[in-house]
Order: sequence, then structure tokens, then C-alpha cells
Amino acid sequence: GENVEQHPSTLSVQEGDSAVIKCTYSDSASNYFPWYKQELGKGPQLIIDIRSNVGEKKDQRIAVTLNKTAKHFSLHITETQPEDSAVYFCPHAGGTSYGKLTFGQGTILTVHP
Amino acid sequence: NAGVTQTPKFRILKIGQSMTLQCTQDMNHNYMYWYRQDPGMGLKLIYYSVGAGITDKGEVPNGYNVSRSTTEDFPLRLELAAPSQTSVYFCASSRRTLQGAANYGYTFGSGTRLTVV
Repeated sequence: GENVEQHPSTLSVQEGDSAVIKCTYSDSASNYFPWYKQELGKGPQLIIDIRSNVGEKKDQRIAVTLNKTAKHFSLHITETQPEDSAVYFCPHAGGTSYGKLTFGQGTILTVHP
Repeated sequence: NAGVTQTPKFRILKIGQSMTLQCTQDMNHNYMYWYRQDPGMGLKLIYYSVGAGITDKGEVPNGYNVSRSTTEDFPLRLELAAPSQTSVYFCASSRRTLQGAANYGYTFGSGTRLTVV
């Protein structure tokens, strides 16, 4: 079925450290893996995504890796900064062509100066 | 481009009142969505639309109605507001790829914070 488990639920790091958030999925047909960042009082924003034919994608300090065999994908943030503090979501992309995203509870990342 | 614009930003309703949450996008996106987000929770899909004149229910449609008469606008109607509808409502849109499927890259509005008392 359509299910994505995200860990940890909260993550606290010191500025400059790295942060890793992992999501595990169960639907073998999943082929799109996005990450959204939601800052306080704002709507979620797509920060990076990856498709199943790619193992890793980087964009400056953030990267997403995909392990299709283990059915998990991870968000990596290096050299964290206080402005990285937010809630991060790895929504499941529905199997239909309608682009429906199913959001879990997310990970609250706090970067301490 | 303004992206996705939601109005109002805040609203307090009394139980039993009705209101319409407005959502408009200027990116010519075919796909539009309404989500609600309760405190400390993820987003739940209320309704979605794949184009003008076509709408369908999401995970939590009860108590809501939508219409899609134009590509740009996707209003959400609350009839007989209840305290359980106190939430933050987000509208989002995405474009259709050449292959016909949504590309999943959502653009979200800034949300409407609704309180029902």
C-alpha cells in the first residue's frame, strides 16, 4: 500500500553539523521521491526531488540519496545553518497520474547557533 | 508571477457559518489541490482538480465543496462550519508534464488560518 515512514520525528544539531533524515517506503511502484521544507507560518516548499532511475542528487548543501533495494531515501544537509530550521516532509507520490502527495508528520529540524 | 495566492490569511467563523477560501494561481498549472494541516501534523488532502471542470475527493472531503470553473481559480467552500474544521488550509498547484502526469513539483500558497468557535 501507500505508506512512507519518516525518521527521526525531531532532530537537533549544532550549526555547521550535518543532518540526515530518512524515509522508508513500501510501494514498489514508487518512482518519485520529493522533499519539502516548511518554515514556520509558511506553506511547504519543494527543495529537492529524485526519480527512481537516479541514485543521488545534490543541490549545494542538500542532497537526496535513494536505495531502491532497501526502499529508503534520505535527505542530507551539510554545514547546517539556523535558517535550515524547519519541518521537513517526504510525501508519498501517488501511483496515479494525478500527482497526489500524501504527507506524514515530518521531521522538526532545529539548528542551534 | 505571484504564484499561488490564498485569501483570506486569517478568519474566525462561528459554528454553522459558511465561507469560501479563495485560491488562484497564475502559472497556468492544470493540477490544483486543497490540503488542511492541523497543529503538529502533516497535510491531509481535501480535494483536488486535474483541470477546469474536473474535481475529485481526497482523504478528508466531508464538510467541504470545491469547484473549478477556470484554470486559475480553485475555491474551497465550507458549509455549516464546525470546530473540527479549525485548521490551516493550503492550496497548491502543479503543472502537467508532456506525458500527461503531474510532475509533483507543487507550489503552495501561504495558507489560510481558520478558527471555528
